[in-house]
Amino acid sequence: DAGVIQSPRHEVTEMGQEVTLRCKPISGHNSLFWYRQTMMRGLELLIYFNNNVPIDDSGMPEDRFSAKMPNASFSTLKIQPSEPRDSAVYFCASSFSGQPQHFGDGTRLSIL
Amino acid sequence: KQEVTQIPAALSVPEGENLVLNCSFTDSAIYNLQWFRQDPGKGLTSLLLIQSSQREQTSGRLNASLDKSSGRSTLYIAASQPGDSATYLCAVVPGSYNTDKLIFGTGTRLQVFP
Repeated sequence: DAGVIQSPRHEVTEMGQEVTLRCKPISGHNSLFWYRQTMMRGLELLIYFNNNVPIDDSGMPEDRFSAKMPNASFSTLKIQPSEPRDSAVYFCASSFSGQPQHFGDGTRLSIL
Repeated sequence: KQEVTQIPAALSVPEGENLVLNCSFTDSAIYNLQWFRQDPGKGLTSLLLIQSSQREQTSGRLNASLDKSSGRSTLYIAASQPGDSATYLCAVVPGSYNTDKLIFGTGTRLQVFP
């Protein structure tokens, strides 16, 4: 049974470039979450979707960040333009109706 | 604003020891509390979930307790093994109904040496 799949696993790019992170949730799960993890701030929820609809995006740091979920099997998190302070590990997680969340292995993002 | 704190930040113990990890939260109004494990370079794996009406949950050598009124939870690991080495995070869903919105602690990095 495939877990949550994230791509790419690593991304290194220069500041100002657009970055797109991708996530495929577990089939049948109806909630999807995007998190960011840094040494300074720990693990923070950025946004989450329920049945493909954004429910809470209060954790999105600023307008440079956007997330979409066009269907039940795919979501993207986009940063445009990227800045060095966006460097972090970004996790996607999915769950079904209040059950524990299943996490992907993350995308390690470095903005130079 | 709900804040979650974990003590200690790091712990190193010899194999076979029983150990306790602590988690505290500032607002006792929580829907549930969860304990996760994170291995280096990996995502989080859910270990135990305690509903606000429950006092504890057990899975194998792991036991998690919840004292909502005092804002505390403990994760007890019996007979620790080198394979238990990882970072352990607790998280709460704040409020009286489920929002799925987890607020995480900063974690305890555990090393169990042979």
